[in-house]
Amino acid sequence: DAGITQSPRHKVTETGTPVTLRCHQTENHRYMYWYRQDPGHGLRLIHYSYGVKDTDKGEVSDGYSVSRSKTEDFLLTLESATSSQTSVYFCAISDRLGQETQYFGPGTRLLVL
Amino acid sequence: KQEVTQIPAALSVPEGENLVLNCSFTDSAIYNLQWFRQDPGKGLTSLLLIQSSQREQTSGRLNASLDKSSGRSTLYIAASQPGDSATYLCAVTSGAGSYQLTFGKGTKLSVIP
Repeated sequence: DAGITQSPRHKVTETGTPVTLRCHQTENHRYMYWYRQDPGHGLRLIHYSYGVKDTDKGEVSDGYSVSRSKTEDFLLTLESATSSQTSVYFCAISDRLGQETQYFGPGTRLLVL
Repeated sequence: KQEVTQIPAALSVPEGENLVLNCSFTDSAIYNLQWFRQDPGKGLTSLLLIQSSQREQTSGRLNASLDKSSGRSTLYIAASQPGDSATYLCAVTSGAGSYQLTFGKGTKLSVIP
């Protein structure tokens, strides 16, 4: 398995609070991605990174921000969590943009009350 | 906008049966297509990746085909086993240099002993 960890694995929070999810990789892959998975919608891309300090928006980026200060870490922040952000969040990595498979982390289950 | 559809949403078969999972996509200008497996509460595991110039890929009991012009892919599983029970996801990358995977909602497979 690709060396990808996500923390925390489970989190319960209240509406309006900030939340940060962390993705850590040991593969030295250049590209990192954050997805959310919801019943009826499948997986959707939130943000991705193509290098340290280089990020861009995905399909469902509203309400989320990201940061990547080191190759191995990609942080996803919900500035003010809402109930609609209750979801399972997956981090993924790849070494070449769009040309090879993405390797996924185990996911973070987030519940916003 | 690319849309990926997987039919059926759920499938139950007896052990030992050969089976086919279907994936269709609306925009044939894809760069590659991938099949993933997801076990309950887990992340995604890549099974097969087919580049747009290829017609099929094989790995063990799995064979994936791609007909780009008709916007279809199939995943064939031979001699199914209870351990094959999982949700199978199809995803496409649209256009050279694209970062975004567009996922189908998956087919949940149950192999009955």
